[in-house]
Amino acid sequence: GEDVEQSLFLSVREGDSSVINCTYTDSSSTYLYWYKQEPGAGLQLLTYIFSNMDMKQDQRLTVLLNKKDKHLSLRIADTQTGDSAIYFCAESQTDSWGKFQFGAGTQVVVTP
Amino acid sequence: EADIYQTPRYLVIGTGKKITLECSQTMGHDKMYWYQQDPGMELHLIHYSYGVNSTEKGDLSSESTVSRIRTEHFPLTLESARPSHTSQYLCASSEYSGQGSFYNSPLHFGNGTRLTVT
Repeated sequence: GEDVEQSLFLSVREGDSSVINCTYTDSSSTYLYWYKQEPGAGLQLLTYIFSNMDMKQDQRLTVLLNKKDKHLSLRIADTQTGDSAIYFCAESQTDSWGKFQFGAGTQVVVTP
Repeated sequence: EADIYQTPRYLVIGTGKKITLECSQTMGHDKMYWYQQDPGMELHLIHYSYGVNSTEKGDLSSESTVSRIRTEHFPLTLESARPSHTSQYLCASSEYSGQGSFYNSPLHFGNGTRLTVT
């Protein structure tokens, strides 16, 4: 079956870069997503990448996809205290309705 | 910012009560979903819908039921709440791109309902 795995915790100093890693097992994944969840809120879509791309950059966010290793990463440049949150990796497959598989989330704590 | 709303935000209720969690979206999305998020953060799909009059059970067995009478509305009902139902419930929606489409529209989430059953 499908599986998406993430490390559970990341601590980073303000101003440094954060790198959150994710691995997935389903080779039929077509889209891979990063969501951010702040306390007491739902999930906010940050960015997503199609499986035929290697990299996508959007302001401070850079997504890297290694299809061979089924490895996805999210890099946050110049990490700020407002970036403290839980980050979820998710993948979806090509089928009639689009099933999404989420990782367990990585809690990112930004320290001054 | 996505236009999907959940009410109530917080609910504390006694065992045995019937409750309905509301979810509405104004984006005209055909697909809607309910996820249960446990304290360990992981999300579990409990129900989804392709469109009006379509409802399906998700991966996680749930004693809740859903209905989809209107495109914009996807309420979740628990006939008899139990302490094991204590959790955060997240509603989401996405566009339907057609069967066999390679494009899966991202999910847009509401802010969730945190349910506590005493």
